[in-house]
Amino acid sequence: DQQVKQNSPSLSVQEGRISILNCDYTNSMFDYFLWYKKYPAEGPTFLISISSIKDKNEDGRFTVFLNKSAKHLSLHIVPSQPGDSAVYFCAASLGGSQGNLIFGKGTKLSVKP
Amino acid sequence: GAGVSQSPSNKVTEKGKDVELRCDPISGHTALYWYRQSLGQGLEFLIYFQGNSAPDKSGLPSDRFSAERTGGSVSTLTIQRTQQEDSAVYLCASSLQSGRPDTQYFGPGTRLTVL
Repeated sequence: DQQVKQNSPSLSVQEGRISILNCDYTNSMFDYFLWYKKYPAEGPTFLISISSIKDKNEDGRFTVFLNKSAKHLSLHIVPSQPGDSAVYFCAASLGGSQGNLIFGKGTKLSVKP
Repeated sequence: GAGVSQSPSNKVTEKGKDVELRCDPISGHTALYWYRQSLGQGLEFLIYFQGNSAPDKSGLPSDRFSAERTGGSVSTLTIQRTQQEDSAVYLCASSLQSGRPDTQYFGPGTRLTVL
């Protein structure tokens, strides 16, 4: 049973527009969420994170929104650039004594010039 | 500073052979994690180390898989009697410490192909 779900395997956006990547989770005990970006043949690169006590975190063009009641988070990229084309993974952590992250299957973002 | 490094970057082996994958974490990071990514899947947790001990081995898929960490630094993941379903990218990550929300930094991975 998947605890972290990214229901869109792919997303295509025009350069300059907003990209919105979505993620749903089932475990209400998750207390920390992260987004990673992955290029082919490379390891995932940390992008942005949010604690469960917040509902928004912003870093430059990237903003993560958390809706705890809906168990939903989203990553907004604006404006989107061709270099943003990659696979984006949503991950969640239970914190406490468990440090491992639970990942979604990823969404492949293509930003077209 | 240097990031997480892994070796080899690619490994092709025959079914039934043993393989060893190596991870060098970021200096000073006490927590180290192994994940694997099979084709079309997300990252699957295997094991994590706090220092040299492994409090959580729950993700290891079978007793053919084992891992160790020495000196609080380098870790090796060993797969014995490899099977074709072991083919995946094996990723290592490290963080300053576990037991609290913390960012994990990943290496480039080892792509394992079992023929």
